[in-house]
Amino acid sequence: QQQVKQSPQSLIVQKGGISIINCAYENTAFDYFPWYQQFPGKGPALLIAIRPDVSEKKEGRFTISFNKSAKQFSLHIMDSQPGDSATYFCAASMRDRGSTLGRLYFGRGTQLTVWP
Amino acid sequence: KAGVTQTPRYLIKTRGQQVTLSCSPISGHRSVSWYQQTPGQGLQFLFEYFSETQRNKGNFPGRFSGRQFSNSRSEMNVSTLELGDSALYLCASSFSPPGQSYEQYFGPGTRLTVT
Repeated sequence: QQQVKQSPQSLIVQKGGISIINCAYENTAFDYFPWYQQFPGKGPALLIAIRPDVSEKKEGRFTISFNKSAKQFSLHIMDSQPGDSATYFCAASMRDRGSTLGRLYFGRGTQLTVWP
Repeated sequence: KAGVTQTPRYLIKTRGQQVTLSCSPISGHRSVSWYQQTPGQGLQFLFEYFSETQRNKGNFPGRFSGRQFSNSRSEMNVSTLELGDSALYLCASSFSPPGQSYEQYFGPGTRLTVT
């Protein structure tokens, strides 16, 4: 059972446009929501993250919007650039009993292509 | 500060063999987690280590095992390899003192191909 559902699977955006990727979750025990960016042949790189007590977090061109009541969160990439072309993963984390850090449950990923 | 390093980067093994992958966390990080990434299943949690103890384990068969050393370096082992074990194996490290943030930083992964 997929704990975090991500859409769309692929996204094509023109340079300068806004890229929006959405994720939804069911488990209200999740308390940390990161986004990762992955280029081919590389490991996922932490992009930005949010906790459920905040509705929005912005870092440069990247913004996370979080809707706790709807159990949804999204990544907005403003002024998208060809260099942003990558696969983006949303994730949700919670601490299982005895665990010292959150186990990450990942969405299936969105392949973003930004056309010049 | 150097990132998470994983060795080897690429590995080709045959069915039935065993393999050991290594991970060195970011300096000062004491928590290490392992994930498997495949096109079919995506990113799946394998296990987590802190202070040389396994703290959590994902839903993988017992052929998958790991350990952590006193310097926080970690290894994972897969015995009796199957074709379906072909994947990118990712290690992530975190500073994560209890009660604080969960930022986890991934290494470049080890690409394992089983033939």
